Amino acid sequence: AQSVTQLDSQVPVFEEAPVELRCNYSSSVSVYLFWYVQYPNQGLQLLLKYLSGSTLVKGINGFEAEFNKSQTSFHLRKPSVHISDTAEYFCAVKLGGGKLIFGQGTELSVKP
Amino acid sequence: GAGVSQSPRYKVAKRGQDVALRCDPISGHVSLFWYQQALGQGPEFLTYFQNEAQLDKSGLPSDRFFAERPEGSVSTLKIQRTQQEDSAVYLCASSLESTEQFFGPGTRLTVL
Repeated sequence: AQSVTQLDSQVPVFEEAPVELRCNYSSSVSVYLFWYVQYPNQGLQLLLKYLSGSTLVKGINGFEAEFNKSQTSFHLRKPSVHISDTAEYFCAVKLGGGKLIFGQGTELSVKP
Repeated sequence: GAGVSQSPRYKVAKRGQDVALRCDPISGHVSLFWYQQALGQGPEFLTYFQNEAQLDKSGLPSDRFFAERPEGSVSTLKIQRTQQEDSAVYLCASSLESTEQFFGPGTRLTVL
């Protein structure tokens, strides 16, 4: 069965520092990969997606992710975080028919 | 333009009551998904519609859960005889193509 593992449940970081949120997936076939952000009491907002092509994907709010097929990873990075980036981040893989399988989430906490 | 809307935003039910949660997708979006997000967890797939056809209901946790989309637009998720373990945020998402899903703000259901 397909699964998504987010290796860190919480990531505290100081403002303007770089951050990496890790995501690994299990799949024997080609996948579509996504990162979503969820602010308190809101739905999920798409940060970026990998469908095909370049393995380095750039998204909104200065985030980027790199697809690594050999390591089955799709880690999310930002070179300099802001207080406003404090939120829950979810990695997801899309299966046939369109349903998404999500990881458990990583809580990013940016401190001044 | 308007995004995905859900109502009510918050619902408190006594154990054993029936509830109905509504989702208004983005106009013209063919696909509609329901997810359940327990506290501190990632969203989990419940069911999927393409127009009015329910193509996948493999994620519905029991026969107390029922979803419909009779005219291929608005969808309702119904939970009969609610139990405490049904307490969660119920997220609806819609998509035009089979890649990006747009999420609503969710309905937080609390079963007492």
